[in-house]
Amino acid sequence: DAKTTQPPSMDCAEGRAANLPCNHSTISGNEYVYWYRQIHSQGPQYIIHGLKNNETNEMASLIITEDRKSSTLILPHATLRDTAVYYCIVRAGGALNSGYSTLTFGKGTMLLVSP
Amino acid sequence: DTGVSQDPRHKITKRGQNVTFRCDPISEHNRLYWYRQTLGQGPEFLTYFQNEAQLEKSRLLSDRFSAERPKGSFSTLEIQRTEQGDSAMYLCASSLASTEAFFGQGTRLTVV
Repeated sequence: DAKTTQPPSMDCAEGRAANLPCNHSTISGNEYVYWYRQIHSQGPQYIIHGLKNNETNEMASLIITEDRKSSTLILPHATLRDTAVYYCIVRAGGALNSGYSTLTFGKGTMLLVSP
Repeated sequence: DTGVSQDPRHKITKRGQNVTFRCDPISEHNRLYWYRQTLGQGPEFLTYFQNEAQLEKSRLLSDRFSAERPKGSFSTLEIQRTEQGDSAMYLCASSLASTEAFFGQGTRLTVV
């Protein structure tokens, strides 16, 4: 699986948008971009994933550049409960992929949302 | 609650003792993963099951570690002769095929 690069920490004011960047310049054509977050002392929580199109769900939006070498996770209105470590992971596979590919976590970005 | 369930949530054991953790995946998820996480690090892959078959083991999984998933449902992770270096959070995740994996809350092991 391709490696990712994320800033170690970021700050965001409550109510503002949090934009978390991720570089994955060696991503392969069949690799998806996954985002997870981990709130202190809890297991990682799935947020969103995408291949090349931008994606949005009830938690966040994922913007992937056209060359797929980087992406941005957007939390549109950050709350204090969004304070967590955010992991960007690239991984082969998808719903119809019968192959196996695990999640390789880096150190992620520690997002601190302040009042 | 239909999420991934892990038991116990916390375990304190003396060095040299054996411990066993249990993971109940989301119903119908055929893939089950174990990870280990130490302080300040991201989770590290330990092993993976597809149904009852253990298909991959990380080099982190020493001979003292064994995992089973006997009927393709719940899984157990046993650590024999625990060492202080085994102190960590042990995380279980499950998925359906290669879709997103969902994690449990983990078992925090402290070896004293």
